[in-house]
Amino acid sequence: DTGVSQDPRHKITKRGQNVTFRCDPISEHNRLYWYRQTLGQGPEFLTYFQNEAQLEKSRLLSDRFSAERPKGSFSTLEIQRTEQGDSAMYLCASSLLSGRGEQYFGPGTRLTVT
Amino acid sequence: AQRVTQPEKLLSVFKGAPVELKCNYSYSGSPELFWYVQYSRQRLQLLLRHISRESIKGFTADLNKGETSFHLKKPFAQEEDSAMYYCALSGGSGGYQKVTFGIGTKLQVIP
Repeated sequence: DTGVSQDPRHKITKRGQNVTFRCDPISEHNRLYWYRQTLGQGPEFLTYFQNEAQLEKSRLLSDRFSAERPKGSFSTLEIQRTEQGDSAMYLCASSLLSGRGEQYFGPGTRLTVT
Repeated sequence: AQRVTQPEKLLSVFKGAPVELKCNYSYSGSPELFWYVQYSRQRLQLLLRHISRESIKGFTADLNKGETSFHLKKPFAQEEDSAMYYCALSGGSGGYQKVTFGIGTKLQVIP
């Protein structure tokens, strides 16, 4: 296990298209997080899973965004009807249940909406 | 609500000079504070956390609850310290600790 992985690393899409990103956390980590990072900003929390349960969603996560974590393993983040404002780096992180705030990040997926 | 403020977007220092990256936070409970670092072309990674009271790569940070600060310090900057540094706060209840990040400070160490 080499850490958190994300796929794809880059995605260019046209406005209005749907996109899906995948995150594979560190295998023994119960918690999985999605963040969005735009230029000049720190990571902004989007949503959080504990095992397969989605326990919190940010108000940043509009109804065009949906995330899943079937079977508590990998997770997917889907954006429907993409808008130019969705262009950002999407980061995934995972942590142990006992890991208070210590998160391990993936390399991110850079989304460009044209 | 929890908030993290990093007042400097860019900090430039000469090699060998002391470094202090500022971080102030707002949180009503007892937070846990962290510093994350992102080197060029690498992923975000944990540098240190206040509960460990450790020194990593020569960096230390002390939690000052009175001033609600968690500044990152190093006595002598090195070129390899050039990176983005993010202060982060972990707080919440019910077993879930939401993490809030600051906007980051870019540290540039001039040779």
